[in-house]
Amino acid sequence: DVKVTQSSRYLVKRTGEKVFLECVQDMDHENMFWYRQDPGLGLRLIYFSYDVKMKEKGDIPEGYSVSREKKERFSLILESASTNQTSMYLCASSSRDFLFFGYTFGSGTRLTVV
Amino acid sequence: RKEVEQDPGPFNVPEGATVAFNCTYSNSASQSFFWYRQDCRKEPKLLMSVYSSGNEDGRFTAQLNRASQYISLLIRDSKLSDSATYLCVVNNNAGNMLTFGGGTRLMVKP
Repeated sequence: DVKVTQSSRYLVKRTGEKVFLECVQDMDHENMFWYRQDPGLGLRLIYFSYDVKMKEKGDIPEGYSVSREKKERFSLILESASTNQTSMYLCASSSRDFLFFGYTFGSGTRLTVV
Repeated sequence: RKEVEQDPGPFNVPEGATVAFNCTYSNSASQSFFWYRQDCRKEPKLLMSVYSSGNEDGRFTAQLNRASQYISLLIRDSKLSDSATYLCVVNNNAGNMLTFGGGTRLMVKP
């Protein structure tokens, strides 16, 4: 069964901390994505990557950065966590045939910044 | 206009009912359509693709209306376990990724 694994289900961090969210996929997918999901706002794209070492800004990149050093791993970094970054973070991956097969999501990380 | 629009609901229906959701999309050139299901506090999961000719998977039927630019999801004989949020997904204007609607919440009551 294909898998996208996010390292933590729940995280609590303090304001100002640097936070790393890790995502690993075992499907040899080229594309990887980071979203956040908040009530009433739906899924919002933070960053995405179509290849190793590639990254592109999504709709809400401010306050975030990403790293993709290996094909299977896509990390989201909160440089200095703030309370308005409290959210559910979802990683997704897809092959280049995503128009036929869609995206596969990880189980999410619920981050609380206090 | 949003690329993908859905009625957020909630749709409250009794067990056994038939319920249908629509989703409108703005890009007339869109080629790729999906329905995802998301349970409370869980990740979205692919429910079904939507094909031009319409398609069925058990109690679920998906339809595409290109002329009016909407897709629909019909659920027959609703079960309590169908309670979830249903996300409509369409490829974006540039064709290089998928755009997710805000979701329609369904609550099936005993």
